[in-house]
Amino acid sequence: RKEVEQDPGPFNVPEGATVAFNCTYSNSASQSFFWYRQDCRKEPKLLMSVYSSGNEDGRFTAQLNRASQYISLLIRDSKLSDSATYLCVVANQAGTALIFGKGTTLSVSS
Amino acid sequence: EPEVTQTPSHQVTQMGQEVILRCVPISNHLYFYWYRQILGQKVEFLVSFYNNEISEKSEIFDDQFSVERPDGSNFTLKIRSTKLEDSAMYFCASSSRDGSNTEAFFGQGTRLTVV
Repeated sequence: RKEVEQDPGPFNVPEGATVAFNCTYSNSASQSFFWYRQDCRKEPKLLMSVYSSGNEDGRFTAQLNRASQYISLLIRDSKLSDSATYLCVVANQAGTALIFGKGTTLSVSS
Repeated sequence: EPEVTQTPSHQVTQMGQEVILRCVPISNHLYFYWYRQILGQKVEFLVSFYNNEISEKSEIFDDQFSVERPDGSNFTLKIRSTKLEDSAMYFCASSSRDGSNTEAFFGQGTRLTVV
């Protein structure tokens, strides 16, 4: 089983749509989880950390299910500027490295 | 806003040559990292560095790779004898703490092309 697995997409949605991305991870001892955003040929940038209780930042909601080793990201009211690759990221047990998924590509059109 | 800076932005080198990729992490950060991303593939961890020593390295980070913090501001990645398969985008990152719920800030990357 891959360490961090994501549906690669692409997800093609119209402006205003709600879209959900899923991710699974293999190491049950992982303690820290993140969603990063990567624009084409740019560096990854932190979108949000993911907490067990779930957390929301504006139009973005992240959820963690430790029992299923599953992480999700929900984007409401999609904007053109949301078009990017969304990376599911899990820290290793020691917290000394980030393990990235391959990313899910989102394309929002008008 | 503080940022991680990397130089050069693009480097072309011949196979077998040594390259040094340079990074200036955010000034009050203590943890430093190198990652790479081969075109079309995922971001891969190479090495983490804390308190002037390597704290973790991946299988990719073999004897051809080394890291150094030669002074209080720079963090470098050296590849001794480059191979074609070393062609990738190399990202430096830094954080104030380790990966536990602390944002890692990434530089804009150095695109290394080995010919």
